[in-house]
Amino acid sequence: AQSVAQPEDQVNVAEGNPLTVKCTYSVSGNPYLFWYVQYPNRGLQFLLKYITGDNLVKGSYGFEAEFNKSQTSFHLKKPSALVSDSALYFCAVSRGDSWGKFQFGAGTQVVVTP
Amino acid sequence: GAGVSQSPRYKVAKRGQDVALRCDPISGHVSLFWYQQALGQGPEFLTYFQNEAQLDKSGLPSDRFFAERPEGSVSTLKIQRTQQEDSAVYLCASSLGQWADTQYFGPGTRLTVL
Repeated sequence: AQSVAQPEDQVNVAEGNPLTVKCTYSVSGNPYLFWYVQYPNRGLQFLLKYITGDNLVKGSYGFEAEFNKSQTSFHLKKPSALVSDSALYFCAVSRGDSWGKFQFGAGTQVVVTP
Repeated sequence: GAGVSQSPRYKVAKRGQDVALRCDPISGHVSLFWYQQALGQGPEFLTYFQNEAQLDKSGLPSDRFFAERPEGSVSTLKIQRTQQEDSAVYLCASSLGQWADTQYFGPGTRLTVL
């Protein structure tokens, strides 16, 4: 079975400060890892993914994530947060023998204050 | 280009009514997924299509839930004899068809069962 944990329900950060949203996973075989963002009453928007290769992945809107195999983590980061980054963030994992279906974490609400 | 569209965006049903939710995937996308997102939760996998073939329906919560994609494009998720616990946002996603492909999500249909 595969699972994803997002240990923080909410992350609060001041605008301009670094933002980190944590994600750990459990999956047999090689994981495919994704980050999505959800704004109110909107669907999920793709930010970035790790499939293979360089452990540091760069994505949309200045976000990046680091794959750490030994710690089974895929934390999302942004060097300087914006108020407009306030949203709900989901980590997801899939594996090669699961038709690509995602297992999502419970989500982390990010609040960026001016 | 056009993204994934879903209709209706909002649906209110009385307990016991049947509902049908529609998904129009991105043109040319082979894979189509349905997810259910309860309030305050991450999306949960329901079912998966590759073209018109339903290859995985392991996430459908009961036999009241039925999905189809007869021509390999538009998909319909049908819920018979709706119950209050069916209240959720139903998300549709499509992808090109490889396991590691990004899934692109529609805005969702919010179903409220009274």
